[in-house]
Amino acid sequence: QVQLVQSGSELRKPGASVKVSCKASGYNITNYAMNWVRQAPGQGLEWMGWININTGTPTYAQGFTGRFVFSFDTSVNTAYLQINSLKAEDTAVYYCGREDYKCGGGSCYLDPWGQGTLVTVSS
Amino acid sequence: QSVLTQPPSVSAAPGQKVTISCSGSSSNIGNNYVAWYQQFPGTAPKLLIYDNNKRPSGIPDRFSGSKSGTSGTLGITGLQTGDEADYYCGTWDSSLSYVVFGGGTKLTVL
Repeated sequence: QVQLVQSGSELRKPGASVKVSCKASGYNITNYAMNWVRQAPGQGLEWMGWININTGTPTYAQGFTGRFVFSFDTSVNTAYLQINSLKAEDTAVYYCGREDYKCGGGSCYLDPWGQGTLVTVSS
Repeated sequence: QSVLTQPPSVSAAPGQKVTISCSGSSSNIGNNYVAWYQQFPGTAPKLLIYDNNKRPSGIPDRFSGSKSGTSGTLGITGLQTGDEADYYCGTWDSSLSYVVFGGGTKLTVL
């Protein structure tokens, strides 16, 4: 079945980096984009951006430029989110979500979602 | 501050019906389809409704969606205690070129 499986929880110190993985299975990965969504503790969903699997081109939402990097390795069907120069306010659960390249045409939804990866930044 | 506006909470008794609203603008809901997601504590969001009113396979017909102008609405009939969760609306914002979400609505089944 179609599923996205993310890597486990991470604990990092401020200033360090972390790389979260999201392994896709059960579908042709080139037919879908991969989105990333952040959920801070007790807060709502915040879209971080997406990566075009076909071209490798990432698009970042405002507030997620500079320290955030999306990538994809087609040889292992895995998307990655790297966060550099971590800050305490980066503490959150990060989700990947599949989307079928239709957002620009008005039909925009994420399905399925990965189970989430908790990143904790603390000294 | 979310681009889409949802009530923070709604409640109703088991067996009753509840609606959750999602208000936006012409750059998002007004010209794009609305999706709804269900999230239980400690778990990932799950797609409930897409393209305003379509249900993915496996979603009961107790859940319905509609859109009028710049607002979307999620309806849940025959409420069950197992429906207690957070519900989020989402859509594309053509001006921002972003996916945007509502702030979420916590459903309590009394």
